[in-house]
Amino acid sequence: RKEVEQDPGPFNVPEGATVAFNCTYSNSASQSFFWYRQDCRKEPKLLMSVYSSGNEDGRFTAQLNRASQYISLLIRDSKLSDSATYLCVVNSNTGKLIFGQGTTLQVKP
Amino acid sequence: DAGVTQSPTHLIKTRGQQVTLRCSPKSGHDTVSWYQQALGQGPQFIFQYYEEEERQRGNFPDRFSGHQFPNYSSELNVNALLLGDSALYLCASSLDGRDYGYTFGSGTRLTVV
Repeated sequence: RKEVEQDPGPFNVPEGATVAFNCTYSNSASQSFFWYRQDCRKEPKLLMSVYSSGNEDGRFTAQLNRASQYISLLIRDSKLSDSATYLCVVNSNTGKLIFGQGTTLQVKP
Repeated sequence: DAGVTQSPTHLIKTRGQQVTLRCSPKSGHDTVSWYQQALGQGPQFIFQYYEEEERQRGNFPDRFSGHQFPNYSSELNVNALLLGDSALYLCASSLDGRDYGYTFGSGTRLTVV
């Protein structure tokens, strides 16, 4: 079993749609959680950290459920520029970042 | 303020050869981590260097080795290249390994033929 699992998609949605990505992790001792965005053939960039209380950054909302070991990302009012791969990332209790496979989002006009 | 720089950007090597990839961390960062990203996969942790020592290592064979210099820059060496080593190699720097401050370089795309 992979340490961080994501549905690879692709998710094809129209502009303005709301889309949700889910992720599960296996190590209950994991300390911190993130969503990264990666554009085609580019490096990953931090989108947002994820906290148990839930956090929002504009159109993006992230949630963490430690009991279920589940992380989510909600994107509202999708834009063409949101098209990218979204990586769920967990910091193991040893301090290294563990990436999921990534979920591909394609927003269409 | 320069971010993380990696060189070269692209590289083509033949099976069995050796390769060295280079990384200069973001100014003020002292920790360098290396990742391998195969096509269609998420980055996989290779190892992390701090204070010129390998602090952690992922599940990669000994063919993968590294080094960190006193100026915090780092090298990744891969010996006896296999076709399966073809990937994007990413370097990430941070301050004392703190995960929330990771900055990635744009990577080196290695193709083994």
